[in-house]
Amino acid sequence: TQLLEQSPQFLSIQEGENLTVYCNSSSVFSSLQWYRQEPGEGPVLLVTVVTGGEVKKLKRLTFQFGDARKDSSLHITAAQPGDTGLYLCAGDDTDKLIFGTGTRLQVFP
Amino acid sequence: EAGVAQSPRYKIIEKRQSVAFWCNPISGHATLYWYQQILGQGPKLLIQFQNNGVVDDSQLPKDRFSAERLKGVDSTLKIQPAKLEDSAVYLCASSLGHVLAVGAQYFGPGTRLTVL
Repeated sequence: TQLLEQSPQFLSIQEGENLTVYCNSSSVFSSLQWYRQEPGEGPVLLVTVVTGGEVKKLKRLTFQFGDARKDSSLHITAAQPGDTGLYLCAGDDTDKLIFGTGTRLQVFP
Repeated sequence: EAGVAQSPRYKIIEKRQSVAFWCNPISGHATLYWYQQILGQGPKLLIQFQNNGVVDDSQLPKDRFSAERLKGVDSTLKIQPAKLEDSAVYLCASSLGHVLAVGAQYFGPGTRLTVL
């Protein structure tokens, strides 16, 4: 069974700080997606990375796919309270997604 | 464009009772997924439909869970009888359905099930 481990599991920071969330696996994925989930809602897709070494930026969020396509990171610059939520990575296992264990981020004003 | 609809949003039942969840995917989406999400964890795929056929149900506890997608549109997920460990959020998602890769999945708000 493929596993995607995320770290840290919990992150509590002040507004304005930077942070990085990691997503690691021993398996290779053809692509990897990042989702954010707010309380009482379903996950919402943020980005899909496809090529090894690829870097994508979405405003203050920077996503990187590892060269070997086994790991990924999400970096948030100058975090804001609106970034609060559960961040999930998900690897493309041919025809289905394998979700990571999740990182719960809390940003205090 | 309307999103994925789910009902009910909340359900509280006693163990050994039965419960059913309903999902209406985004119009035109061929693939429909049911996930189970334990509090604070990532979603776990229970079953995946392509139109009205089952693609993957390897993690569905078939002794108590069942799902159907009649006519390839709406879907229902049933639990009978429920156990305490079934307490979770049940998420429905849909996607256009790509042949070679998974595209973006669009999730509904989920149904929060509490089994007492």
